[in-house]
Amino acid sequence: AQKVTQAQTEISVVEKEDVTLDCVYETRDTTYYLFWYKQPPSGELVFLIRRNSFDEQNEISGRYSWNFQKSTSSFNFTITASQVVDSAVYFCALSEAETGNQFYFGTGTSLTVIP
Amino acid sequence: DVKVTQSSRYLVKRTGEKVFLECVQDMDHENMFWYRQDPGLGLRLIYFSYDVKMKEKGDIPEGYSVSREKKERFSLILESASTNQTSMYLCASSHPQGSWGQPQHFGDGTRLSIL
Repeated sequence: AQKVTQAQTEISVVEKEDVTLDCVYETRDTTYYLFWYKQPPSGELVFLIRRNSFDEQNEISGRYSWNFQKSTSSFNFTITASQVVDSAVYFCALSEAETGNQFYFGTGTSLTVIP
Repeated sequence: DVKVTQSSRYLVKRTGEKVFLECVQDMDHENMFWYRQDPGLGLRLIYFSYDVKMKEKGDIPEGYSVSREKKERFSLILESASTNQTSMYLCASSHPQGSWGQPQHFGDGTRLSIL
């Protein structure tokens, strides 16, 4: 079974629109980490954020914000006032205490920001 | 900044050839990983290593082997390349063992085509 689900395969928005990328995870562990990565057309995955299971506070970094809700097993990512440079594939990932350093990645959401 | 370097961005090989993909990291990380990325499937773990000469199978190890003779270098080997191994291959490394949940840092990827 897929541990991390990113139901949105592709999203297109017009520049300056807000967009939310969904991530739903599944785990029996009470201790785990969640991650978001960005993969621009150049190919390298860039680490964006890590959140542990005991910290449900939302986080904001510039135009980026993350909403972690354990009750719905979701870790959603919102880009405010999107820009063309935000066009990329975004991956959500899970790391569980039981399996240590192994990551489980979602299938990714391809975001296109239209100028 | 962590630097993970993959030896080739693009590689074309023929069916039946033995193929080596090399990855080097410069941050003294114990953990290293090899993934393949295919459209609609996200990142799938092939092999990983927690230390020199150690290796663990990931989700899709069939048709692959690995070598970790030095801490900074992790090689992926396709013993007899087949067309279904045409893919993007990504190498990653992370902070030392015993400190799980650390972000993985990725190289630029190798786009491998098997003809």
